[in-house]
Amino acid sequence: GESVGLHLPTLSVQEGDNSIINCAYSNSASDYFIWYKQESGKGPQFIIDIRSNMDKRQGQRVTVLLNKTVKHLSLQIAATQPGDSAVYFCAEKRGASGGSYIPTFGRGTSLIVHP
Amino acid sequence: DAGVTQSPTHLIKTRGQQVTLRCSPKSGHDTVSWYQQALGQGPQFIFQYYEEEERQRGNFPDRFSGHQFPNYSSELNVNALLLGDSALYLCASSLMSGGGYTFGSGTRLTVV
Repeated sequence: GESVGLHLPTLSVQEGDNSIINCAYSNSASDYFIWYKQESGKGPQFIIDIRSNMDKRQGQRVTVLLNKTVKHLSLQIAATQPGDSAVYFCAEKRGASGGSYIPTFGRGTSLIVHP
Repeated sequence: DAGVTQSPTHLIKTRGQQVTLRCSPKSGHDTVSWYQQALGQGPQFIFQYYEEEERQRGNFPDRFSGHQFPNYSSELNVNALLLGDSALYLCASSLMSGGGYTFGSGTRLTVV
């Protein structure tokens, strides 16, 4: 079954507000997580990643928080812009011998930014 | 520097037919992975190719097969198409030695 899931299917925010997208995972052995953004008609695009030895990582206008105790991570987008409207996926690392890690995706949260 | 290129962008097939989708990886990448994304769902891993061999496989039937060529490009073949195979098929390239995935824009397959 699915081990990476998102709490809300849709999140609506006003332009300029901060957005928080949440994600839960079930595999306590997961050691690497990635957030992707998928715009309509395009493939997923890497936003930011975090390893399990970190609690927080910041990028440009984005911050990812990892809480290993409750197996939860979140993506925070500061000063949300209309161009941030997309579906956001969290993915966990799964690997196997003979291959590189495979991002395993949840269902996604659709972020809608209102001007 | 070209990213991942997939062809065709859209395709309509009849149930029972066979289809071949193509992918050219990002320059410098040696590994290709294929995903199926149904409407409203996250991408589901089909399989991964490296050194012209299938290295990992997700929970997909044998109707789904693939190939990787010496130039690292790849094909996804689906036989005996079902209506439920209608989806966006994504190709992602990466380096086996590490690093992130780069996704193409996908091929939208509609089975009627």
